[in-house]
Amino acid sequence: DQQVKQNSPSLSVQEGRISILNCDYTNSMFDYFLWYKKYPAEGPTFLISISSIKDKNEDGRFTVFLNKSAKHLSLHIVPSQPGDSAVYFCAADISGTYKYIFGTGTRLKVLA
Amino acid sequence: ETGVTQSPTHLIKTRGQQVTLRCSSQSGHNTVSWYQQALGQGPQFIFQYYREEENGRGNFPPRFSGLQFPNYSSELNVNALELDDSALYLCASSLEPAQRGDEQFFGPGTRLTVL
Repeated sequence: DQQVKQNSPSLSVQEGRISILNCDYTNSMFDYFLWYKKYPAEGPTFLISISSIKDKNEDGRFTVFLNKSAKHLSLHIVPSQPGDSAVYFCAADISGTYKYIFGTGTRLKVLA
Repeated sequence: ETGVTQSPTHLIKTRGQQVTLRCSSQSGHNTVSWYQQALGQGPQFIFQYYREEENGRGNFPPRFSGLQFPNYSSELNVNALELDDSALYLCASSLEPAQRGDEQFFGPGTRLTVL
């Protein structure tokens, strides 16, 4: 049972445009959500997170939106840069369990 | 710089064998989590160790076991290897059981192939 889903395996975007990566979840107990970026031959690196008490969190070019009623979150990257090309994973957690549940990832390619 | 290292980088084993994967956490980090990432999938939580004791486990059978040592190193042991155990194994360390993503740092992983 896939509790965290990323339905787009890949996405291509022109440099300078907005990248929107989507993630859906099924477990209403999740109260903390994260996005990780992964380059080949490296471990995932933390990008941005959001608590369920918020609906938006911004960090520079990266913004995460959370829609609890739809059980949906999205990551916006504006403007997209070639260095953003990587696999992006969303993950969810129930506070106190420390068991991050990851989605299957979306491969973002930013074209110069 | 995260400072989390894993060895070996790649490993090939045959079905039924046993394997030990190693992780060296950042100095001072008392918590290590292990994840299995199968091809085309996201990382799946195996278990977490905190101060040398298991502190939570995912849906993995007992043939997956771990150890954590006082010198910030840890091991993941898998017995009776199966073909489906072929995956990238990631460890992640943090000072305490991490509740915020920016407190947990991943290593580059060990790629295990079971033939």
